[in-house]
Amino acid sequence: DTEVTQTPKHLVMGMTNKKSLKCEQHMGHRAMYWYKQKAKKPPELMFVYSYEKLSINESVPSRFSPECPNSSLLNLHLHALQPEDSALYLCASSQVLANGNTIYFGEGSWLTVV
Amino acid sequence: GQSLEQPSEVTAVEGAIVQINCTYQTSGFYGLSWYQQHDGGAPTFLSYNGLDGLEETGRFSSFLSRSDSYGYLLLQELQMKDSASYFCAVRRTGGFKTIFGAGTRLFVKA
Repeated sequence: DTEVTQTPKHLVMGMTNKKSLKCEQHMGHRAMYWYKQKAKKPPELMFVYSYEKLSINESVPSRFSPECPNSSLLNLHLHALQPEDSALYLCASSQVLANGNTIYFGEGSWLTVV
Repeated sequence: GQSLEQPSEVTAVEGAIVQINCTYQTSGFYGLSWYQQHDGGAPTFLSYNGLDGLEETGRFSSFLSRSDSYGYLLLQELQMKDSASYFCAVRRTGGFKTIFGAGTRLFVKA
């Protein structure tokens, strides 16, 4: 079982809706990530938080808004999404080590925008 | 630019050995990782090579040669449950950006 928990597992939202994806980890990791994955494609990095501060934003549209309330929680706020934003959204965490490379993924949230 | 190349598909029979190669063009990375992803599931960590050489974890082994910009994942005694996508990945030095290869879809036949 993954130690990164994501909710909800499935979400259907209209283009005018506002929703949030939530992620929680209790491994003491201080780096947390949001990835987007389309079918038959690799995970694509969206955001990275390190010590609760935004470290990387991969030029993600502003309709995606991340938030890291504390070291265990990571949210992704969604507003005015487009149908092409439908995908699997993966939360992940890792240690903040110079050579650490193991990323632990949650089960993901399947998002459908209608 | 930075890229990792893997074969798109590999097919093997149950009980056999299969090798999935990964060649990369990137400067400055910590090491090479491998992830497995079953259909409908999340990627799970399999193996990491920080140094050149072979790492063995049960039926899975992984190899890295920085001088050849090359690595591979070796799966032995293949089982039907090994049918999945396998991604190689590198984390760039000085940051948190991990780059994934396009993935290799492994089909294990009876």
